[in-house]
Parts: sequence; structure tokens; C-alpha cells
Amino acid sequence: QSVLTQPPSASGTPGQRVTISCSGSSSNLRSNTVNWYQQLPGAAPKLLIYYNDQRPSGVPDRFSGSKSGTSASLAISGLQSEDEADYYCAAWDDSLNGRWVFGGGTKLTVL
Amino acid sequence: EVQLVESGGDLVQPGRSLRLSCAASGFIFDDYAMHWVRQAPGKGLEWVSGISWNSGSVAYVDSVKGRFTISRDNAKNSLYLQMNSLGAEDTALYFCTKDRVATIAGDYYCGLDVWGQGTTVTVSS
Repeated sequence: QSVLTQPPSASGTPGQRVTISCSGSSSNLRSNTVNWYQQLPGAAPKLLIYYNDQRPSGVPDRFSGSKSGTSASLAISGLQSEDEADYYCAAWDDSLNGRWVFGGGTKLTVL
Repeated sequence: EVQLVESGGDLVQPGRSLRLSCAASGFIFDDYAMHWVRQAPGKGLEWVSGISWNSGSVAYVDSVKGRFTISRDNAKNSLYLQMNSLGAEDTALYFCTKDRVATIAGDYYCGLDVWGQGTTVTVSS
């Protein structure tokens, strides 16, 4: 069981807006920033969002992040077929002498 | 080109040891913290260990504490993971990753922004 909780699946049609939630606790999301990663099939993960809502260079502005308290979310607008992938949230957790924790991942299907 | 290339993965018997290596290029290696993240077959991502830019801080997931040791050689632009007493639960694809910051904790701008393609560790008799 993952420390951060994500829905196992999500779906949408091309052009739609979808959101993926990430739920944590006071030792991770409340006190630290959240990252989001995209993992395309057969590929290494890619950083999509850092510091809750910041996009690295090259990440389209269709991807946006937010955080409030112990919850975070990733929104994808103008959904495209190439967005079909697994998405993971992650954060530093201050418990147990400190560790990075990931969500269990959300498989996004573009219908 | 910013690049991370892992090596050292293999099929090993339970209880044996293995050392993973990661060669970095295209960026100033000793400016950044580095991490190992693994992914068991068909499963999600699991952070394994991290090390700060100067090796002053290291951290491990509980399941590998006392068995795995992370280290780095900034002169060789290389990251390592010594894995001892391997068990079936350690079977996974191991990714070497670069952090955006120098420390492994406490920096709000952290994020794993460069990933290698991974090296496969299979523990089986």
C-alpha cells in the first residue's frame, strides 16, 4: 500500500480535461512540495511538475498541478492520445528519518 | 546531452550481492543530489535511496536499510548502489535519477528531472 493515494485509473476523450488526485498526510504533502511524473509505456519516468505547480522546460502548459493541505492534483487539458500513460505523484516524507514516497500510480486511458 | 547510463544489473541467487553503477554526463554532477528508484515488474515506482551532492546526507527506504549502500564518486561522475543479502522482493528495474537540487530533503524545488533507462535486477534461484 502506497503512502500517497491515487486512483488506479482515469480516462477521457481527446480534447477533454482530466484530473488525477493524490492524497497524503501531514508528514508529506502538508509539509513538503509535490512532484508529478509521467511514464509512457516501456519508457523511463519523466518529471512533469515540481514545487506543486511548476513545469520544467519543455513540458506543455496543458499540464498543471495544484496542492492544498494534504491533497494534490494534476490536471491535463486538451487531452491527446499521446498522454496515455501512467502518472505518479511523489513527495518527501518527514517520517521514518525521511524518505521519498510515491503514489501507486494512475493509468490514464485516452478513449 | 544530459545522460544517465546504468549498468550492473544481473540475475543473482537469493542472499548474494550486486553493485549497480550509473555514469552521468552532460551536467555538473557534483552540483546535484542523486537517487535510485526501482520498479518491480508490473508495479509502480519505489524510491530506494538518495545521496546529497557531497555525500554528506544519505537516506534509504526501510526495506533496504542495512543491506544497500549508496555512494558516489564526483571525480568519476558516477553513482553506485551496493546491494547485499538480495531477496526476491528486490527484483526490479533500477533507475538512476538526478535531483534538481543539491540536497535530498528540505528543498521545495526538488524533483527527479533526469532518468536513466534502468538496469534489471532479478533475484531467483
